Amino acid sequence: DVKVTQSSRYLVKRTGEKVFLECVQDMDHENMFWYRQDPGLGLRLIYFSYDVKMKEKGDIPEGYSVSREKKERFSLILESASTNQTSMYLCASRGTGTEQYFGPGTRLTVT
Amino acid sequence: AQSVTQPDIHITVSEGASLELRCNYSYGATPYLFWYVQSPGQGLQLLLKYFSGDTLVQGIKGFEAEFKRSQSSFNLRKPSVHWSDAAEYFCAVGDDYSGYALNFGKGTSLLVTP
Repeated sequence: DVKVTQSSRYLVKRTGEKVFLECVQDMDHENMFWYRQDPGLGLRLIYFSYDVKMKEKGDIPEGYSVSREKKERFSLILESASTNQTSMYLCASRGTGTEQYFGPGTRLTVT
Repeated sequence: AQSVTQPDIHITVSEGASLELRCNYSYGATPYLFWYVQSPGQGLQLLLKYFSGDTLVQGIKGFEAEFKRSQSSFNLRKPSVHWSDAAEYFCAVGDDYSGYALNFGKGTSLLVTP
C-alpha cells in the first residue's frame, strides 16, 4: 500500500513564525501536492512538484513556498505565518497513474 | 475553465436508506473522475474512479458511480447506508491535459440518522 505521512497531525504557531510542514511518501512517486482544506471551500491546490527540485504554483500559492530536494519528500513552508493560514493542510502523491494518495493531514493553528 | 460542482452541501439519510450524491463537472476534454471520502480528522480515501469504458463503476465499501457524459455528471450511489458512512465526500476531476493536479468539488457532508 502507498503510504503518505505528514510530520505533524496538529501544530500551533504564532503569527510571524516560519513554519515547515513535511510530507514523505514511500512509493517512489514523481508527483507530489500540497492542498489546504477549509470548510465550505473544499480542497485548494497550493503547490505541486513533478520531479525533484521542480515545482509549479497551484491556485493559492501566495504566502507559501515549497522545497523538494529528494524524491520522497515535499515540504511546505510558510515564510511568515499569519492567522488566515490557519487551516488543514493535506499532502498527496501520485505515480504514473492519475490517482492521488493522501496523507492524514496537518491541522495548523496560527495565533 | 474546469469546474466541479457538488450541489448538496449537507445530506441526511436514515440508516438503511439509499444514497445518491451529485457531482457535475465542466470540462473540455475527456475527464478522469474520482470520488474520495474523508472521515472526521482523517485524510482522503479513494472510493472509486472512472477513466473510460463501462460507465458504471464499482468502488469500495459498496459504493458505485455512473458517468453520464450527456449530463456531465458522475453521481455516487449506495443502496443501503450504514452509520459508518457518515463523512465528507469529494468529487474530483482531472484529465491528460491539465497537468498533474485534480480539481475538487467543495464536498458534501453526509449525516446518517438511526
